Amino acid sequence: AQSVTQLDSQVPVFEEAPVELRCNYSSSVSVYLFWYVQYPNQGLQLLLKYLSGSTLVESINGFEAEFNKSQTSFHLRKPSVHISDTAEYFCAVSEASGGSNYKLTFGKGTLLTVNP
Amino acid sequence: GAVVSQHPSWVICKSGTSVKIECRSLDFQATTMFWYRQFPKQSLMLMATSNEGSKATYEQGVEKDKFLINHASLTLSTLTVTSAHPEDSSFYICSAHSGYTYEQYFGPGTRLTVT
Repeated sequence: AQSVTQLDSQVPVFEEAPVELRCNYSSSVSVYLFWYVQYPNQGLQLLLKYLSGSTLVESINGFEAEFNKSQTSFHLRKPSVHISDTAEYFCAVSEASGGSNYKLTFGKGTLLTVNP
Repeated sequence: GAVVSQHPSWVICKSGTSVKIECRSLDFQATTMFWYRQFPKQSLMLMATSNEGSKATYEQGVEKDKFLINHASLTLSTLTVTSAHPEDSSFYICSAHSGYTYEQYFGPGTRLTVT
C-alpha cells in the first residue's frame, strides 16, 4: 500500500513570488507520481506526472516537480506565481506495475492562495 | 487531451429516492474507471474501482448495495445512489484510466444534495 503526505495544508504567497508545495510518499514498490490541480467546484486536472526517465518534469504553465527517490519526495515548484494559480493542489501516486488497476492514492491537498 | 464528462453536474433529490450519475470517456476507451467522493475542503476518497464487464471493487467501508456501480461499456460507467439520505450529499467525481498514458482523466464532478 502507498501513502502520500502533503505537509502544508495551506500556502499563502504574494504574486510573482516563488512557491514550493511539498509532497512525500511511502511505498514498497515502484510508483508513478502525479500532481493534480482543482479549481473550486470542478474536477481535477493533471498538472504533471513522473513515470520514468528524467526526474525533473515540467508543465506547460511554468510548474515543475522533481522526483527524488532517496528522499521519496515529489515537490512542486514554480518560480513566479500568478493570481490565477490560486487553487487546491493534490499529489498522488499509483503502483507502476499496474497493481490495483493503477488506483491513485491522494495526499490531503494544499491550498495555494496567491495574493496581489 | 482526453475528456471525461459527468452528468448531471448537479442534482437535488428528496430523501429516500435514488439518483444515477453517468461518467463517460468521450474520446478514448477506458477499461477501468474510478468513483470518488469529496467532502468540502478535503481530499478525494476512492469509493470503488469499476472494470468494464465485471463487478466493481469497493473500498472498505463503502456500502455496495447503496452505491451501485455499472460499467457496461468501455466508455460509460454509472453510479446510482440508492435510497439517498442527507448524509449522502457530497461532490462525486469519476475518472477514467488510459492504458496509453497511465493517467487518470477526471470528470468535472457532480454535486448531489439530498433534502
